Amino acid sequence: GAVVSQHPSWVICKSGTSVKIECRSLDFQATTMFWYRQFPKQSLMLMATSNEGSKATYEQGVEKDKFLINHASLTLSTLTVTSAHPEDSSFYICSARARPGGIYEQYFGPGTRLTVT
Amino acid sequence: AQSVAQPEDQVNVAEGNPLTVKCTYSVSGNPYLFWYVQYPNRGLQFLLKYITGDNLVKGSYGFEAEFNKSQTSFHLKKPSALVSDSALYFCAVRDMLKRGSTLGRLYFGRGTQLTVWP
Repeated sequence: GAVVSQHPSWVICKSGTSVKIECRSLDFQATTMFWYRQFPKQSLMLMATSNEGSKATYEQGVEKDKFLINHASLTLSTLTVTSAHPEDSSFYICSARARPGGIYEQYFGPGTRLTVT
Repeated sequence: AQSVAQPEDQVNVAEGNPLTVKCTYSVSGNPYLFWYVQYPNRGLQFLLKYITGDNLVKGSYGFEAEFNKSQTSFHLKKPSALVSDSALYFCAVRDMLKRGSTLGRLYFGRGTQLTVWP
């Protein structure tokens, strides 16, 4: 099946710094990428949806200036958490959907654990 | 609006016994339904989906799910549970893709923690 990778798998940063998380579709081209946030033992919360070459669409309540999303190519999307604070600590998961061809299957990355100290 | 309910936070079952993880949904129009599994500190892995056709859908690792339109349910089942099946399971429904749109977000249930004890 299709593979989505994320890097880094975990990161610890100091409060006030910025962190960039990469999401790549390794063996398919992704028309759309999604970024989710997951708190312990809770469901996934969709943060934003991005289409290649377009600005991301953010869900209500998600600060677009804090969570910068770039979808520069059909295989790469990045999430930058700017001026991170401890409350941004969470598990971030990206997901990618393939180009048209039947039902658009959605594949998930392994996640990135962010800890802000 | 689309929504998914997983009424059980936890399901515990003995190894070798059948398991069921419940899911009900609410959609406008025909549903696209999915089950995903998540192991600790990992992303979601696709198990199976229902788009159309047979109500019984077979998926990965011996799992299957039964689509019941009248009860708006899509319960996940396995005839004989394994300890290695212990994980967090998510049911999801997809928004209908609109003509000319590439959107079609997944709406997730809150998840059910399955524990299979030896």
